[in-house]
Amino acid sequence: ETGVTQSPTHLIKTRGQQVTLRCSSQSGHNTVSWYQQALGQGPQFIFQYYREEENGRGNFPPRFSGLQFPNYSSELNVNALELDDSALYLCASSFSGTGATETQYFGPGTRLLVL
Amino acid sequence: AQRVTQPEKLLSVFKGAPVELKCNYSYSGSPELFWYVQYSRQRLQLLLRHISRESIKGFTADLNKGETSFHLKKPFAQEEDSAMYYCASDSGSARQLTFGSGTQLTVLP
Repeated sequence: ETGVTQSPTHLIKTRGQQVTLRCSSQSGHNTVSWYQQALGQGPQFIFQYYREEENGRGNFPPRFSGLQFPNYSSELNVNALELDDSALYLCASSFSGTGATETQYFGPGTRLLVL
Repeated sequence: AQRVTQPEKLLSVFKGAPVELKCNYSYSGSPELFWYVQYSRQRLQLLLRHISRESIKGFTADLNKGETSFHLKKPFAQEEDSAMYYCASDSGSARQLTFGSGTQLTVLP
């Protein structure tokens, strides 16, 4: 069973640029959630994708957008980068069906530094 | 909005001593509660969730709806328990996790 993978591991960008982060979900999972973790804080929910559609969004501006592909992998795009976007971005995959929330399995994260 | 509070950023105990990591949540419905752990240089992983009522690595957590708490406990701490612990809640319908800010546990020899 392959776990959640994310790429790249590290990234340095400058203010105003755009960035794309990638996530491959764990085998058998159909849902991907993205979280932002600032230094010294817990992860903060950005949004979730299920069946290629956004299925819930946290308190993040529209310049944070995403995609989910038919193979359930996902991308997180951030436009017009700001210094405060510097953080660890975590992807988590899970299986969503009927009933209770399934466990989310996290990837290792992508550390983004905006200069 | 949901909120999860972990009042202790740092907690140190000696090996063999009991440990309790505090977590309080604010949600008027019936949330699902989780404890996630992150060992050094490893990814975030689920330790336990309240609906499964399991004891993992000797840790237990009881949901107290009256006090809106979900404290994590272990009667005898081990050095390998040293890690960052995050409490999280899920409102159920949204399937999105709200995390606390975490408690760094250090178990001293």
